[in-house]
Amino acid sequence: QKEVEQNSGPLSVPEGAIASLNCTYSDRGSQSFFWYRQYSGKSPELIMSIYSNGDKEDGRFTAQLNKASQYVSLLIRDSQPSDSATYLCAVGFYGQNFVFGPGTRLSVLP
Amino acid sequence: DTGVSQDPRHKITKRGQNVTFRCDPISEHNRLYWYRQTLGQGPEFLTYFQNEAQLEKSRLLSDRFSAERPKGSFSTLEIQRTEQGDSAMYLCASSLGQGNYEQYFGPGTRLTVT
Repeated sequence: QKEVEQNSGPLSVPEGAIASLNCTYSDRGSQSFFWYRQYSGKSPELIMSIYSNGDKEDGRFTAQLNKASQYVSLLIRDSQPSDSATYLCAVGFYGQNFVFGPGTRLSVLP
Repeated sequence: DTGVSQDPRHKITKRGQNVTFRCDPISEHNRLYWYRQTLGQGPEFLTYFQNEAQLEKSRLLSDRFSAERPKGSFSTLEIQRTEQGDSAMYLCASSLGQGNYEQYFGPGTRLTVT
């Protein structure tokens, strides 16, 4: 049974701070890792993908992957109130279905 | 570039009725996925297609659920004899395949079974 775990939150950070979201996964053979943002009542929106160990940066977002520790994280720099949403971690094998975590609810306080 | 579209966006039905949902993937995407999401949970995988071939089906999917992608373009998901436990958001996603595995989601169909 492949499992993906996330702290459900809510995680509250002040505007302008760095938000750190974490995810662990059970299947050591997992090959692809994704972060999605989901606003209440909306569908998930892809933020970033990462396939190799290390960091990957895109604007204010940085994804970090450590396959040895089975751990993936998302950092959001200069957090804005518009970043308030649920962040879903998804893990998969190439081309196959994803296993999603339950999501972490982030609240950015003005 | 048109995104993934789903129809209808909302469906209210009575227990025991059949419902059918449609998904149109991003053009040129050969992989299409169906997920179900309930409140407070992440999406749960139901099934996926590569072109017209259904390659995997979740054990969560009972015999009341069936999905098709007859010409490798749009897909339909049918639920027969709906139950109250089927109430959820049904999400469709597509990916390009060919080494690109990022999945893009449609707006979803919210099903309420009364």
